[in-house]
Amino acid sequence: GQQLNQSPQSMFIQEGEDVSMNCTSSSIFNTWLWYKQDPGEGPVLLIALYKAGELTSNGRLTAQFGITRKDSFLNISASIPSDVGIYFCAGFNNAGNMLTFGGGTRLMVKP
Amino acid sequence: ETGVTQTPRHLVMGMTNKKSLKCEQHLGHNAMYWYKQSAKKPLELMFVYNFKEQTENNSVPSRFSPECPNSSHLFLHLHTLQPEDSALYLCASSQRTGGGGDTQYFGPGTRLTVL
Repeated sequence: GQQLNQSPQSMFIQEGEDVSMNCTSSSIFNTWLWYKQDPGEGPVLLIALYKAGELTSNGRLTAQFGITRKDSFLNISASIPSDVGIYFCAGFNNAGNMLTFGGGTRLMVKP
Repeated sequence: ETGVTQTPRHLVMGMTNKKSLKCEQHLGHNAMYWYKQSAKKPLELMFVYNFKEQTENNSVPSRFSPECPNSSHLFLHLHTLQPEDSALYLCASSQRTGGGGDTQYFGPGTRLTVL
C-alpha cells in the first residue's frame, strides 16, 4: 500500500538549534499535512499545504510542499523544550481518498 | 482547545469484558474516523464514516464494532479483546471524506490496556 517515508526517525538536539525533517513518497500527493503529537495526546495539526511549491509558516515552524509533489519538509527554528514530541507528516494522493501517515519523527530537546 | 473529545481517556479491561469508547466532535464535520496507534507503528486507519454511513473497514477484526448514530458521535464497541489490542485509539473528524484538503482533526485518544 501507499507509504510515506519520514526521516529522521528521531532527533536529539540542543535547545536553540534549528530542526529539519522531511517526508517523501513514490507517488504524487495533492495535500501535505504536518501534525505534532505530545505524549498521551492525539496529533494536533500544525500546518496544511495544498499547492506544489507552497511555503507556509506557523510561528517558528515552516513547511513546504515540494515542487515535484512527492515530498514535503518541516523546519523548526530556535527549538525550545516544549517542541519535544512526535511529528507526523500525512497526505492525500491522487489515487486514494484516505489520509496516509508517515512513521513519525521523535524530537527530543536538551535544555 | 480541540473540537474532538474522547472518553474515557484511559481504560483497562479483561479479555472477557465488553466496553465502549466514545468520540464526539463539535466542528460540524460530516466524516469521522477511528485509528489505532501502537508503539513503534504508524497510525492504522480502522473505520471511516461519512454522513453516518460506514465507507471504510480496514480489515478490522469483528471484536471491534463501530457505531455512528449521527455525524457528531462515534462509538467503538469492544468485546473479547486480546492483549495485542492494547494501544492508543484515536478518533478524528473532517468536513468530508475524499482527498484534497479534507484535513482531519484528532481527539486526545483513549489509552486501552487489555489484561
